Amino acid sequence: GQNIDQPTEMTATEGAIVQINCTYQTSGFNGLFWYQQHAGEAPTFLSYNVLDGLEEKGRFSSFLSRSKGYSYLLLKELQMKDSASYLCAGDSWGKLQFGAGTQVVVTP
Amino acid sequence: EAGVTQFPSHSVIEKGQTVTLRCDPISGHDNLYWYRRVMGKEIKFLLHFVKESKQDESGMPNNRFLAERTGGTYSTLKVQPAELEDSGVYFCASSQVQFRAGGYGYTFGSGTRLTVV
Repeated sequence: GQNIDQPTEMTATEGAIVQINCTYQTSGFNGLFWYQQHAGEAPTFLSYNVLDGLEEKGRFSSFLSRSKGYSYLLLKELQMKDSASYLCAGDSWGKLQFGAGTQVVVTP
Repeated sequence: EAGVTQFPSHSVIEKGQTVTLRCDPISGHDNLYWYRRVMGKEIKFLLHFVKESKQDESGMPNNRFLAERTGGTYSTLKVQPAELEDSGVYFCASSQVQFRAGGYGYTFGSGTRLTVV
């Protein structure tokens, strides 16, 4: 399989920046998704990287290096509502393979 | 547009019983997926429909699970008979195309939390 690894939990203060790293085996994925999931709710789309480099979308940015099997999600100007689980997922022709998720806790 | 709808949101059944989960995808989305998250583990792929046809069912755990999508609209996932290890959250997702680079990807429903006691 294509193991996807991401940290279990990260804590940061309101207004700060947090970077969530995701590593995976280097073959088999067309691209990489990041989803946000609040407890009891649907995972919601944040970003999709298919080419190497940085994709910026407001306070959220995502980076991909296909050769290194590495991605990160950067959350800037953290707000309390950003407390959630962040899921890294590799896309293999419609079949998503997820990491276990990183629980981000934003403190006042 | 309406999102992906799943019913029920919660279900508690006894071991050996049958449960049927339903998913209504976004209208016009030919691709429908089922995923499952067992407690403490990552979300895992179960199967993929393109319209009414099963494109990939490699993630289905065993023959106690039966998925259907008659008419290519809503889908059902039946577990019969349910076992304790089937407990988890079952997610449905849909997409307009199978692979959509740079787009909005796959839209997920809120899931059905199944508890088998």
